[in-house]
Amino acid sequence: DIQMTQSPSSVSASVGDSVTITCRASQNISTWLAWYQQKPGKAPRLLIFAASNLQSGVPSRFSGTGSGTDFTLTISSLQPEDFATYYCQQANSFPHTFGQGTKLEIK
Amino acid sequence: EVQLVESGGGLIQTGGSLRLSCAASGFTVSNKYMNWVRQAPGKGLEWVSIIFSGGSTYYADSVKGRFTISTESSGNTLYLQMNSLRAEDTAVYYCARGKWGSRWFDPWGQGTLVTVSS
Repeated sequence: DIQMTQSPSSVSASVGDSVTITCRASQNISTWLAWYQQKPGKAPRLLIFAASNLQSGVPSRFSGTGSGTDFTLTISSLQPEDFATYYCQQANSFPHTFGQGTKLEIK
Repeated sequence: EVQLVESGGGLIQTGGSLRLSCAASGFTVSNKYMNWVRQAPGKGLEWVSIIFSGGSTYYADSVKGRFTISTESSGNTLYLQMNSLRAEDTAVYYCARGKWGSRWFDPWGQGTLVTVSS
C-alpha cells in the first residue's frame, strides 16, 4: 500500500496568515492527489484534486502543487472558517490511502 | 442537488452484522463509482470499499471477506453489509461518490456511527 505522510501534524496560525501543509507519498503517484478539509462533526469536503485543480466552489486562497512524491497545500490569507483538519489522499492505486491529517488551529 | 444520506448505524455486539444504507438523490448510483470511507473516533480517514459502475468491487484488506458493497437501482441506494464485526470496526461510516471515475470522493454523506462492543 502507498503510505501518505503529512507534516506538520498540527499548526497554529492567525487570521490573515498564509499556511503550507505538505504531503509525501511513499512512491511516485504522479499527480493523483487530493486534499480534503474536515470540520468537527462534519464530513470531509474535497478542496483540490489532481494535485492542483480547485474544486468548484472552493475559494481561490486554496492552492495545491506537486507531483511524484511531494505535494503542498497552501492557504493564503487565512479566514476564520479555514480552521479545520486537512487530509491528503492518493488515488494512484488501491487502496486509496489518506494522510494522517493536519490540524490547523487559531493562534 | 446531489445529496447522500446514510443510515443503519448503531450499537452492535462483537461478531454481529449490520447493513448500512446510503440513499442518493440528484444522480443515479448505478451509473457512478461509489465508495465507503470510515473514520474511527478521533482518528483519520480510511477508505473501505468501492463499487464501480460496471459492478466490480474492491475492499480494504481490513474488511475483505467480511464486508460487501452493493447498489440497488430501484431505490437508488448504496449498501454496505458488514459481518463478523470487530471492535476495530467502530467508526463513522461515510458514503461518497467518485469523481473522475474512482479517483476522488465528492460529495460525501453526513456519516453514520457504528459502535461495536462486547
